[in-house]
Amino acid sequence: GQSLEQPSEVTAVEGAIVQINCTYQTSGFYGLSWYQQHDGGAPTFLSYNALDGLEETGRFSSFLSRSDSYGYLLLQELQMKDSASYFCAVRANAGNMLTFGGGTRLMVKP
Amino acid sequence: DVKVTQSSRYLVKRTGEKVFLECVQDMDHENMFWYRQDPGLGLRLIYFSYDVKMKEKGDIPEGYSVSREKKERFSLILESTSTNQTSMYLCASSPGTSGARGIQYFGAGTRLSVL
Repeated sequence: GQSLEQPSEVTAVEGAIVQINCTYQTSGFYGLSWYQQHDGGAPTFLSYNALDGLEETGRFSSFLSRSDSYGYLLLQELQMKDSASYFCAVRANAGNMLTFGGGTRLMVKP
Repeated sequence: DVKVTQSSRYLVKRTGEKVFLECVQDMDHENMFWYRQDPGLGLRLIYFSYDVKMKEKGDIPEGYSVSREKKERFSLILESTSTNQTSMYLCASSPGTSGARGIQYFGAGTRLSVL
């Protein structure tokens, strides 16, 4: 099976940089996804890493190290609207089935 | 834009009642998924389907069944609800293997309360 660990809560100040870590254990590995979910909203896709390294999309970047079974989501120039829950998810097979972590609640303060 | 629509936003049911949760996607996606979301537990997969009439159990299928008679529609059935099925239920869809790349598109969710 699969298991993922990520911090339950992170607090940061507007304009700062925050890193949300995710470690995983999985019997198969195709890639690591990140999702954002605002309170009362649907999860929305942020990024996907299939290979080692950093993927950048605007203020958000995602990193993967397959040898360490580790990834992180980096949010730069934090804005109040970034306050949300962030989930990492492992894609363990070709069929795009995902196993999600418990989520990290990010609170951005003024 | 991909649209995944869930039939109800909120439902209140009594223990023992039967519940149908409907999900429709408009992007001709092969894969569809049902999750439940509980605080601190993330999203847990109940069932998924990779084609019409095909289904696979996820991590927590007990007490649930599903139906996929048409490609665009995936239904979650709770035959006899219990209080421990009070949760947020999320439906998602994604392209098949070649277009997957870890992306799933989610509906807004159905918050089910079982009294």
